[in-house]
Amino acid sequence: GEDVEQSLFLSVREGDSSVINCTYTDSSSTYLYWYKQEPGAGLQLLTYIFSNMDMKQDQRLTVLLNKKDKHLSLRIADTQTGDSAIYFCAESSLFSGGYNKLIFGAGTRLAVHP
Amino acid sequence: SQTIHQWPATLVQPVGSPLSLECTVEGTSNPNLYWYRQAAGRGLQLLFYSVGIGQISSEVPQNLSASRPQDRQFILSSKKLLLSDSGFYLCAWSGVRINTEAFFGQGTRLTVV
Repeated sequence: GEDVEQSLFLSVREGDSSVINCTYTDSSSTYLYWYKQEPGAGLQLLTYIFSNMDMKQDQRLTVLLNKKDKHLSLRIADTQTGDSAIYFCAESSLFSGGYNKLIFGAGTRLAVHP
Repeated sequence: SQTIHQWPATLVQPVGSPLSLECTVEGTSNPNLYWYRQAAGRGLQLLFYSVGIGQISSEVPQNLSASRPQDRQFILSSKKLLLSDSGFYLCAWSGVRINTEAFFGQGTRLTVV
């Protein structure tokens, strides 16, 4: 079956790096995503990685993928108070008819303190 | 550019009352449409998805229903709300290509009292 798991909370000091981890189960997933949700708002795509890549870097964000262990991580360098939010890991999966479906984890609440 | 509108932003409804949440998408045609629910402290649960007008699939059995009367309109309904229907409801759309990202509305916070 499909399942995505994340730790629920992470607290870091401003200026430090944050690492949010995620494990998934669907080995057929081709894309894996990180979404950010600020309080009371919808989700915004932060970044994604294709399954044949090991790493993707985008400014302060680094995504690492270990396909063998089905482990995905998001590293935020120089974490700022504006990074405080819930971060969702998601894997793409196929449902009947071959259409795309996103399976989300429970989300990791990142708290940044001075 | 594409945009997605979802309303209302907040809603307080008594138990047993009906529900209608609406979502519309602009700037694209024939999108895949989704309704997700986010319960407090929990992840996103896919409730319904639609690949075309009148085509609705449900992921989980529940007190809610969905309809797609037009290509870019997706409606979430209930005839009689339960307390357990409280939560944050998110509409989303994606392109039809496999492994395309989803774009989310701003969400509706529903409180059933």
